[in-house]
Amino acid sequence: QSVLTQPPSVSGAPGQRVTISCTGSSSNIGADYDVHWYQQLPGTAPKLLIYGNSNRPSGVPDRFSGSKSGTSASLAITGLQAEDEADYYCQSYDSSLSVVVFGGGTKLTVL
Amino acid sequence: QITLKESGPTLVKPTQTLTLTCTFSGFSLSTSGVGVGWIRQPPGKALEWLALIYWNDDKRYSPSLKSRLTITKDTSKNQVVLTMTNMDPVDTATYYCAHRRECSGGRCYAGYYFDYWGQGTLVTVSS
Repeated sequence: QSVLTQPPSVSGAPGQRVTISCTGSSSNIGADYDVHWYQQLPGTAPKLLIYGNSNRPSGVPDRFSGSKSGTSASLAITGLQAEDEADYYCQSYDSSLSVVVFGGGTKLTVL
Repeated sequence: QITLKESGPTLVKPTQTLTLTCTFSGFSLSTSGVGVGWIRQPPGKALEWLALIYWNDDKRYSPSLKSRLTITKDTSKNQVVLTMTNMDPVDTATYYCAHRRECSGGRCYAGYYFDYWGQGTLVTVSS
């Protein structure tokens, strides 16, 4: 049971828009800790996708965007492409546990 | 360019101690603010943060594993070492080391993130 809750799976057709939610609590996201997102392609290491809730590292397409509100955060992917099929993880910090926390991951399937 | 690479045994027996080495380049662990963390991922499961070491030798551990973990650094070799005692089959996972970042573009964020990751090393615990 992960501290940050993500839907196990989402799907969308090429060109569509999908969102992935990340729900936390008052000791992590709700405590004003920032949320970061990682993309993990099959068989590879996680790659930083979004940092500080909504910032994209150099090289990440602007089809990927992040937001945060209250105790939740979201990752949005527009113009879905086959290459976006991957697992996505949110990450924050929990002050009551004093640990970095990850979501359980969401598998994105491009139909 | 920052790179990290994990090395260590691929197979350990239950009750043994695991020692993993993270060899990195492109940054120095003697620079203020720098940190290197370890994260693991059991097959088909989610990421789990294990430990972090800072440039000033400050160390942080996952509370659930703290009694079994030790993280150290060798600045001259650009290496970070993680040891985990009393290995169990449930510890079978891919172990990653990653570069910690807290600030970017002149702004610092509440809670850090990992901007560069090693390729990971699969450790199987089995007799």
